[in-house]
Amino acid sequence: ETGVTQTPRHLVMGMTNKKSLKCEQHLGHNAMYWYKQSAKKPLELMFVYSLEERVENNSVPSRFSPECPNSSHLFLHLHTLQPEDSALYLCASSQSGQLNTEAFFGQGTRLTVV
Amino acid sequence: AQKITQTQPGMFVQEKEAVTLDCTYDTSDPSYGLFWYKQPSSGEMIFLIYQGSYDQQNATEGRYSLNFQKARKSANLVISASQLGDSAMYFCAMRTRDSNYQLIWGAGTKLIIKP
Repeated sequence: ETGVTQTPRHLVMGMTNKKSLKCEQHLGHNAMYWYKQSAKKPLELMFVYSLEERVENNSVPSRFSPECPNSSHLFLHLHTLQPEDSALYLCASSQSGQLNTEAFFGQGTRLTVV
Repeated sequence: AQKITQTQPGMFVQEKEAVTLDCTYDTSDPSYGLFWYKQPSSGEMIFLIYQGSYDQQNATEGRYSLNFQKARKSANLVISASQLGDSAMYFCAMRTRDSNYQLIWGAGTKLIIKP
């Protein structure tokens, strides 16, 4: 399997639930990212992992908790979310520290918080 | 401040016509990379084309070309002979050393190709 794979593709959860999003890449990249995409807003970078260490956390609420057990896998653990957290969550990977490297994206998880 | 501006929220284009999607950028870093991505309704971001700040020639990839005007800080995407499958959101993005190599994104342009 190649590319970046995200599961699940769709998720509906209540505000008291706990769920996890999974991302897997088989491209040999050393950096992985979580983005949030809300309607009519630019992509928001949430977390960056480079060489399995978190290098960036853009003021994301603690109800979002990332985990990167190895360079191929990335998780986003969700708990006590709010309705405004409903969005498309995109995972990406790339080689870190290079200007000319494109990021490869998964198909995203469309999350609805009810 | 580093910023990407896409001024066209939406565009309608007749099939087989060429279309230009605008992108202007702002950075004081002399080294940067510019990217265009396509996002169909399925959600996945698809990389289209890349232009480096020191590249002398405009980038081309099949029907996609990048009209790079460095002095004007613009990096417009040109799609020749548009097809119905080109209907999607298009995002311009920039990577710089000052951004710690993270991509800075524009708000996107929704392109609809009419048959």
